[in-house]
Amino acid sequence: AQSVTQLDSQVPVFEEAPVELRCNYSSSVSVYLFWYVQYPNQGLQLLLKYLSGSTLVKGINGFEAEFNKSQTSFHLRKPSVHISDTAEYFCAVSGPLIYNQGGKLIFGQGTELSVKP
Amino acid sequence: DGGITQSPKYLFRKEGQNVTLSCEQNLNHDAMYWYRQDPGQGLRLIYYSQIVNDFQKGDIAEGYSVSREKKESFPLTVTSAQKNPTAFYLCASRPGTTFNEQYFGPGTRLTVT
Repeated sequence: AQSVTQLDSQVPVFEEAPVELRCNYSSSVSVYLFWYVQYPNQGLQLLLKYLSGSTLVKGINGFEAEFNKSQTSFHLRKPSVHISDTAEYFCAVSGPLIYNQGGKLIFGQGTELSVKP
Repeated sequence: DGGITQSPKYLFRKEGQNVTLSCEQNLNHDAMYWYRQDPGQGLRLIYYSQIVNDFQKGDIAEGYSVSREKKESFPLTVTSAQKNPTAFYLCASRPGTTFNEQYFGPGTRLTVT
């Protein structure tokens, strides 16, 4: 079974400050990892994904994440946030289709990022 | 433009009524999913379908039903048996590849009173 824990439910930060949103996962098989962003009353938009290869993944809007297999983490970072980054962020895990025939994603509880001027 | 559409954006119903939420995609994706989102609980999988005329229950299927008669369409019916139907419902799709990235629609907010 796979699971995801987002360690912070809310992260307040000032504009232009750096931010890290933490995500830990558990899985008995190899994983694919995703970060999605959700603006109020909208659907989810993919920020970035880790499938294989380089452990540092760059996404849209200046975000990046690092896959750490030994610590089973996939933390999301941005060096300087903007007011427009205020949203909810979801970490999700999946596995290869031979183990996960439905291609299902397991989501964390979400982290609300609030960027203040 | 390719994408996923969900209609309506907001839906209001009286308790005891069945209601059907629409999900259409023109991405030619094989798999489609329905999620329910409640504050502080993330997304929970209701039903999913990998091919036409086939679907499987997710983690919280009780009180819901689906159909997949066409590749493009995956409607969700919230029945009167669902004890707490008020929520934000999200539809997603995935291409039939080895990778599991899902694309999401804009969601439907259902309020039952």
